[in-house]
Amino acid sequence: QSVLTQPPSVSAAPGQTVTISCSGSSSNIGNNYVSWYQQFPGTAPKVLIYENKKRPSGIPDRFSGSKSGTSATLGITGLQSGDEADYYCGTWDSSLSTVLFGGGTKLTVL
Amino acid sequence: QPQLQESGPGLLKPSETLSLTCTVSGASIGGSSYHWAWLRQPPGKDLEWIGSLYFRGTTYSNPSLKSRVTISVDTSRNQFSLRLSSVTAADTAVYFCARHAYYCSGGSCIQNWFDPWGLGTLVTVSS
Repeated sequence: QSVLTQPPSVSAAPGQTVTISCSGSSSNIGNNYVSWYQQFPGTAPKVLIYENKKRPSGIPDRFSGSKSGTSATLGITGLQSGDEADYYCGTWDSSLSTVLFGGGTKLTVL
Repeated sequence: QPQLQESGPGLLKPSETLSLTCTVSGASIGGSSYHWAWLRQPPGKDLEWIGSLYFRGTTYSNPSLKSRVTISVDTSRNQFSLRLSSVTAADTAVYFCARHAYYCSGGSCIQNWFDPWGLGTLVTVSS
């Protein structure tokens, strides 16, 4: 079981908005920055959000990140069928001295 | 944007040592402030960070794997490598290398993200 907790799955219709949560503790999310990754089956993850809310160049502004306390959230607006993928949050854990990833959330666009 | 490519044997027997190399193109490992990382993902399971290094020789790894992990760099070839000893079936996974933006200070990590990633290589441990 992952230290960072994500919902196993979320779903929404095209054009809708979805949020994916990542819950941790003060030793990880509470005191460290969070990143988010998108992974399609059989491919490598790609960073969508880094340092809680920054987007790398080329990532649409439909993707957003936020953090409050010991939880972080990835938001996706204007859902498209091409957004169907697994999404992972990641951060550092200061107590464990390790990088942590959430258990991943499978997004289904209905 | 640099490109990273993993290479190494895809099949190992239990107790053997896994050896993988990541070749970086489009960026210099030795001339970069970035760190360089190894991660893995067992089939159908979650991502796991194995460890990272900075070209000056600093390495740090997942405490759960630390006793078996060696990460090294060859700046002349612009490559970095992973060795994982005493493998078991639990080490069967797709192994990725990635550039690691990493900056921690005062116990807090401001930068800690991976981009770009290599395509990944499947390593299977089976007798």
